[in-house]
Amino acid sequence: RKEVEQDPGPFNVPEGATVAFNCTYSNSASQSFFWYRQDCRKEPKLLMSVYSSGNEDGRFTAQLNRASQYISLLIRDSKLSDSATYLCVVNIKGRDDKIIFGKGTRLHILP
Amino acid sequence: EPEVTQTPSHQVTQMGQEVILRCVPISNHLYFYWYRQILGQKVEFLVSFYNNEISEKSEIFDDQFSVERPDGSNFTLKIRSTKLEDSAMYFCASSEPHSYEQYFGPGTRLTVT
Repeated sequence: RKEVEQDPGPFNVPEGATVAFNCTYSNSASQSFFWYRQDCRKEPKLLMSVYSSGNEDGRFTAQLNRASQYISLLIRDSKLSDSATYLCVVNIKGRDDKIIFGKGTRLHILP
Repeated sequence: EPEVTQTPSHQVTQMGQEVILRCVPISNHLYFYWYRQILGQKVEFLVSFYNNEISEKSEIFDDQFSVERPDGSNFTLKIRSTKLEDSAMYFCASSEPHSYEQYFGPGTRLTVT
């Protein structure tokens, strides 16, 4: 099983719709979780950290399920500008700390 | 808003040459990172740096790579003898003390011919 796994998509979603995607991780020593977005040929930009209690920032909601080892991102009322690749990032603390990026999920918002 | 900057934006070099990629992290950040992203592939961690030493490095970060903080603001990645497969986008990132929230620079596109 890959350390961090995401559905590559693309998800083609009409403007205004709600879209959700998950990211699974295999290492139970994973401690910190993040969602980044990356536009084509640009740098990753931090979207939000994912806390055990879940967190919300405007139209974006992130949740963590430690028992099933996945995190999720929900985007409500999607905008054209939400079109990007969404990267799941996991920090693993242990004998060797590791930072693992998922391959990303591509999202296209359709007008 | 403070941001991470990187120079050059694009570097073309011949196989076997040395390159130095430069980064200026956000000024109050103490953790620094280098990543690479080969075109069409995922972002890969190379190395993290704290308190003037490497704190973690990946298997990719072999003896051909080195990092340095030559002064109070710059953070550099050196590739000693470039190979064709080193062609990629190299991102620098930094984070505050005790935070894993990383802020990325715009990247340097390295092309090895």
